[in-house]
Amino acid sequence: GDSVTQMEGPVTLSEEAFLTINCTYTATGYPSLFWYVQYPGEGLQLLLKATKADDKGSNKGFEATYRKETTSFHLEKGSVQVSDSAVYFCALIRVGDSWGKLQFGAGTQVVVTP
Amino acid sequence: ETGVTQTPRHLVMGMTNKKSLKCEQHLGHNAMYWYKQSAKKPLELMFVYNFKEQTENNSVPSRFSPECPNSSHLFLHLHTLQPEDSALYLCASSQDNGQGYNEQFFGPGTRLTVL
Repeated sequence: GDSVTQMEGPVTLSEEAFLTINCTYTATGYPSLFWYVQYPGEGLQLLLKATKADDKGSNKGFEATYRKETTSFHLEKGSVQVSDSAVYFCALIRVGDSWGKLQFGAGTQVVVTP
Repeated sequence: ETGVTQTPRHLVMGMTNKKSLKCEQHLGHNAMYWYKQSAKKPLELMFVYNFKEQTENNSVPSRFSPECPNSSHLFLHLHTLQPEDSALYLCASSQDNGQGYNEQFFGPGTRLTVL
């Protein structure tokens, strides 16, 4: 079945550091890929997405590129801020899924210190 | 602003109580979802509704009962819950654009505590 694997957290880094969160997936065909972010005490917010190979999603300084050959969708940000402290979820929607069900990774907690 | 609202935001209930969670989406979407988020566990999809047809029940206990009266509203009725049901319950919506589903938009969640 489909699955999403994320690097385990927590990831702790200093302000202005470079952030990478690895995400790999297993799915039939070419799923749509997403990164969601969850700030403390809140629901999930869509951060970025990519729907086909080599697409790059970007938002708020975050980027991720859909890599078909490595089945990966790693999240990166060049200079993090304390306000980026949150839990980040990688997810996919399988092609042809009748109900648009999201398959989530376990989530990676990111802690940014001043 | 996500366009998906949930009420109440916090709920404390005893095991013998009956309560309902409400979700409303203002995005014109045609699918809605209930998720359960427990500490140190992955997000669990509970129910999916599309065009008012319940399409998924991932082995959810019968003490959880969903209701979707129209494409904008979704309820989760709760009765005789257990302490292990304490969690954050998230509602989401999405749109089938004819070529597949777009991303899901989430509400802020209801933090449920069962005593």
